[in-house]
Amino acid sequence: EPEVTQTPSHQVTQMGQEVILRCVPISNHLYFYWYRQILGQKVEFLVSFYNNEISEKSEIFDDQFSVERPDGSNFTLKIRSTKLEDSAMYFCASSPTTPTDDFGPGTRLTVT
Amino acid sequence: GNSVTQMEGPVTLSEEAFLTINCTYTATGYPSLFWYVQYPGEGLQLLLKATKADDKGSNKGFEATYRKETTSFHLEKGSVQVSDSAVYFCALKENSGGYQKVTFGTGTKLQVIP
Repeated sequence: EPEVTQTPSHQVTQMGQEVILRCVPISNHLYFYWYRQILGQKVEFLVSFYNNEISEKSEIFDDQFSVERPDGSNFTLKIRSTKLEDSAMYFCASSPTTPTDDFGPGTRLTVT
Repeated sequence: GNSVTQMEGPVTLSEEAFLTINCTYTATGYPSLFWYVQYPGEGLQLLLKATKADDKGSNKGFEATYRKETTSFHLEKGSVQVSDSAVYFCALKENSGGYQKVTFGTGTKLQVIP
């Protein structure tokens, strides 16, 4: 059964550095998402992406964040200048036209 | 806006006990409802779902019924096992349009002791 994959599984970076989190959604899915979960807290929506553009973003998704689908398979989340409070688990998800999303295993980002 | 409220944890049960985790929601339309499970150190896994009123989702002995009249989607299991220890998230997604985001509750940690 196809799965959403994410790399790396754990990323450690210093404050102020740029990071790129990568996701490979399921191949026939049309909608792509990023969510974040700060340790021990709820899962929060960041952004949704459809037809090569952002369809919705939350207030968390400020100018430091960007998303891109550089080719037919990858979907990336870039944080330009990381802050300590960006430390979290980042989940990628994708969905076809039905309401059920497939979530990836997550990337744990640690900002020191 | 949409919101999901679920009971505070942690919930500690003995093996073979009956489990209920309460979940209520607020939505502007007619959402699909979900329970996700997160085992320690792992990602989110879809446990079960229901897409319309009175539907019952079930999986691995867990079940939940979509109750529109009480806007609830309580998770139940008749006999829990130690391996069910995890965090359970209730969630909803609007059915109108494919790019609707998932709105999660705060999660309920379940600990099952032998």
